[in-house]
Amino acid sequence: EPEVTQTPSHQVTQMGQEVILRCVPISNHLYFYWYRQILGQKVEFLVSFYNNEISEKSEIFDDQFSVERPDGSNFTLKIRSTKLEDSAMYFCASNSGTLPYEQYFGPGTRLTVT
Amino acid sequence: AQKITQTQPGMFVQEKEAVTLDCTYDTSDPSYGLFWYKQPSSGEMIFLIYQGSYDQQNATEGRYSLNFQKARKSANLVISASQLGDSAMYFCAMREGTTGANNLFFGTGTRLTVIP
Repeated sequence: EPEVTQTPSHQVTQMGQEVILRCVPISNHLYFYWYRQILGQKVEFLVSFYNNEISEKSEIFDDQFSVERPDGSNFTLKIRSTKLEDSAMYFCASNSGTLPYEQYFGPGTRLTVT
Repeated sequence: AQKITQTQPGMFVQEKEAVTLDCTYDTSDPSYGLFWYKQPSSGEMIFLIYQGSYDQQNATEGRYSLNFQKARKSANLVISASQLGDSAMYFCAMREGTTGANNLFFGTGTRLTVIP
C-alpha cells in the first residue's frame, strides 16, 4: 500500500542552524501539507502546496519557513534559522485531490533544537 | 473559538467493550468534512474514518463508526469491541470547504487506554 515517507526520523540541530525536512508524498497525490505537533499538544497546520505553489499558510509559517517541490517526488520544508520553540514533530501529508480529500500522513520527523 | 473541541483528555475502556470519544466542532461553512485519526505511541497519524457535512448516514469503517449529529455539531467516534491495540491518542479534525487545498483543524486529542 502506498505511503508517505519522511526523512530523517529524528533531527537534532543547534539554534540558528538551517534544517531541511524531507518528504516523499504518495505518488499520484496532488496536494501536500506540512503540520507540526509540539510535544503533548495538538497538531497544527503550517502550509499547503498545490500545483507547485503555496495554497494556504498559517501564521506559524513565517519568513523563516519555506517549502519546495524540487522534483516530481520530494517535498521539503526548510527552516532557515531554527529557534528552541521550533522543536516539534513535523508531519508531511498528502491527498489525492478527490473527495473526501482525506490526508495521509507520514511517520513524522522529530526536530530537536538545542 | 476553537474549531474542534475534544473534552476528554483520557478515557479507559475494558477490552471487548464499546467506547465513545467525543468531538464537537464549530464552523459557519455549510460544506465541511470531519475526520478521525489515531496516533499510537510510535507517533504516526493513521486515518480512521470520514464524515461529510452532507452525508445523510453515519459513516462506518469496520469497528469504527461516527455518530454525526449535525444540529448539535458533534461527530463522536464509536469504537466497538475494543482491542488492546486500540490504545492510542485519537484526534478529531475538520476540513472546511470542498477543495483539496483546505487544511485540517485538529482537536487536542483523547488518550484511550484499553484495559485487559
